[in-house]
Amino acid sequence: QAQLVQSGAEVRKPGASVKVSCQASGYTFINYYMHWVRQAPGQGFEWMGWINPKTGATKYAQKFQGRVTMTRDTSISTAYMELGSLRSDDTAVYYCARQYNNGWYFDWGQGTLVTVSS
Amino acid sequence: QSVLTQPPSVSGAPGQRVTISCTGSSSNIGAYYDVQWYQQLPGTAPKLLIYANNNRPSGVPDRFSGSKSGTSASLAITGLQAEDDADYYCQSYDRSLSGVVFGGGTKLTVL
Repeated sequence: QAQLVQSGAEVRKPGASVKVSCQASGYTFINYYMHWVRQAPGQGFEWMGWINPKTGATKYAQKFQGRVTMTRDTSISTAYMELGSLRSDDTAVYYCARQYNNGWYFDWGQGTLVTVSS
Repeated sequence: QSVLTQPPSVSGAPGQRVTISCTGSSSNIGAYYDVQWYQQLPGTAPKLLIYANNNRPSGVPDRFSGSKSGTSASLAITGLQAEDDADYYCQSYDRSLSGVVFGGGTKLTVL
């Protein structure tokens, strides 16, 4: 059974950066793309991009280009999402989500709350 | 503003049937990309309910079903139960955006 366990809640000031981790278990980490999706309080979901854990290749949503970096450490089956130049409207729960190989659908981590406040 | 459009809310009494619509365009649902549905209970991560338009992962009751036609999709829930009270989201892929897209979510209230 695949499991994604994310790092704990973070608080940052505007202009800072945050790095969220997502440790995978129960499957072969490099064989499944990992996506990052966020959900602002009381809002819907916003896709941020994906990383291919095997090659390290990434694809970012245009909105986040230049501000987001997705990386991975295959030795510990962990994916990372770093978001910089934080603003108050970046306050959200950030999810990692493993993509199934036969379609654009996902298993999700438990989420990490990132609060941006001065 | 979400790329896929869902009604903000629906409601039904226990035992009834409800449907939730999801409307897209020719660059996502109408471009033959599959539609998925997720259930989100308060304070929890989304749970996959339906994938590839009308398929249920193991463990999802057959009270939940999905369909797709043209640029729209629907989620039907029969025999409503109190535990179905949750938010429901549709999701697909958009070729113009080259990315994953979601509906804005529908709050289902079991009366």
